[in-house]
Amino acid sequence: GAGVSQTPSNKVTEKGKYVELRCDPISGHTALYWYRQSLGQGPEFLIYFQGTGAADDSGLPNDRFFAVRPEGSVSTLKIQRTERGDSAVYLCASRLSPSVYNEQFFGPGTRLTVL
Amino acid sequence: SQQGEEDPQALSIQEGENATMNCSYKTSINNLQWYRQNSGRGLVHLILIRSNEREKHSGRLRVTLDTSKKSSSLLITASRAADTASYFCATDLNTNAGKSTFGDGTTLTVKP
Repeated sequence: GAGVSQTPSNKVTEKGKYVELRCDPISGHTALYWYRQSLGQGPEFLIYFQGTGAADDSGLPNDRFFAVRPEGSVSTLKIQRTERGDSAVYLCASRLSPSVYNEQFFGPGTRLTVL
Repeated sequence: SQQGEEDPQALSIQEGENATMNCSYKTSINNLQWYRQNSGRGLVHLILIRSNEREKHSGRLRVTLDTSKKSSSLLITASRAADTASYFCATDLNTNAGKSTFGDGTTLTVKP
């Protein structure tokens, strides 16, 4: 595709529910990143994939958060037993390869609201 | 906590004026990048400066890096109303991982 796409653009759920957020990176980009951005703050790193494997998941806040990228393209961020504090914009980004000298392209984000 | 901190948190100027934003960080870095974000959604990469570079230009943008002071600045010259956005610096500790650590941003308002 032309850019990184994320679905849904908005998600409203109730506390305790399970949600899945999807990211379609730019075709051919091997590196994929998930960030979370709370209001008035900068993006916070969650996890990054090189191909199908999670190369660094040190930013995941707890075991309620999990992400997969089974075929090395589309990725899904999964949040179990959502809490109100999970409300944020979840951003996905991709790079041709993990090197920082390759530009990082961001998607428009998914705004998650947990009631 | 975030690695980078931008200063000021908010900046309001008139069209045509220059805007300067600063970023300070805590640990040694390989690279520093500046991003722009409109309306709280997707970030757009503006410029990357390597740790061995001191200054870089791109159009109306000028970025400086002072590794001894662990700080960087972004200058936007001849600002336009369309420059109104939030600006973030992001640091990379590992060149081959591409994992960025962002500051909390400067919100720039350019009045027409």
